[in-house]
Amino acid sequence: KAGVTQTPRYLIKTRGQQVTLSCSPISGHRSVSWYQQTPGQGLQFLFEYFSETQRNKGNFPGRFSGRQFSNSRSEMNVSTLELGDSALYLCASSFVQGRTEAFFGQGTRLTVV
Amino acid sequence: TQLLEQSPQFLSIQEGENLTVYCNSSSVFSSLQWYRQEPGEGPVLLVTVVTGGEVKKLKRLTFQFGDARKDSSLHITAAQPGDTGLYLCAGAQGGSEKLVFGKGTKLTVNP
Repeated sequence: KAGVTQTPRYLIKTRGQQVTLSCSPISGHRSVSWYQQTPGQGLQFLFEYFSETQRNKGNFPGRFSGRQFSNSRSEMNVSTLELGDSALYLCASSFVQGRTEAFFGQGTRLTVV
Repeated sequence: TQLLEQSPQFLSIQEGENLTVYCNSSSVFSSLQWYRQEPGEGPVLLVTVVTGGEVKKLKRLTFQFGDARKDSSLHITAAQPGDTGLYLCAGAQGGSEKLVFGKGTKLTVNP
């Protein structure tokens, strides 16, 4: 059974640009969550999607957005990139609503220059 | 304010030593998970504890959930270099999918 797949693995963007990251969950998993990981703040929750609906959102500015498709694949978008957005972005999938065991992808390392 | 406090932040020990990592909170969690993360990779789930006072063993790793479901500990016996990594605890509240993570304990086991 394939794990969570995130693409791309690495990205370098310039300040002001926008970026889209993709996540394919484990087959059969319907819940997808996104996290930002930085050395100073650790893992911080961005948002969670279930059945194409955003169910939870963390304390991030509106420049961070996401969506989920009918096949459970998810994308997150960051507009008007800032240097502080440089981080490892992790996607996690879960089997059913209410099950909080998260299975993570390898992450996308975003560097903003 | 960090909801889950992990200690110590850094730990460097010699192969064969024992160690304990702590995860503490003033909040109650419906479940608590421990993950291990290696550089450049995503966290890998080690265990989930659900019941207050629960103890789970995974080979040389022993996980305990506090009676009040506010804290947890991870004990490693006879640590090996392969145990090196960032250990993260994460708590879930109610039926939410939103996991709250501690900042992690970076463990280095020297041969």
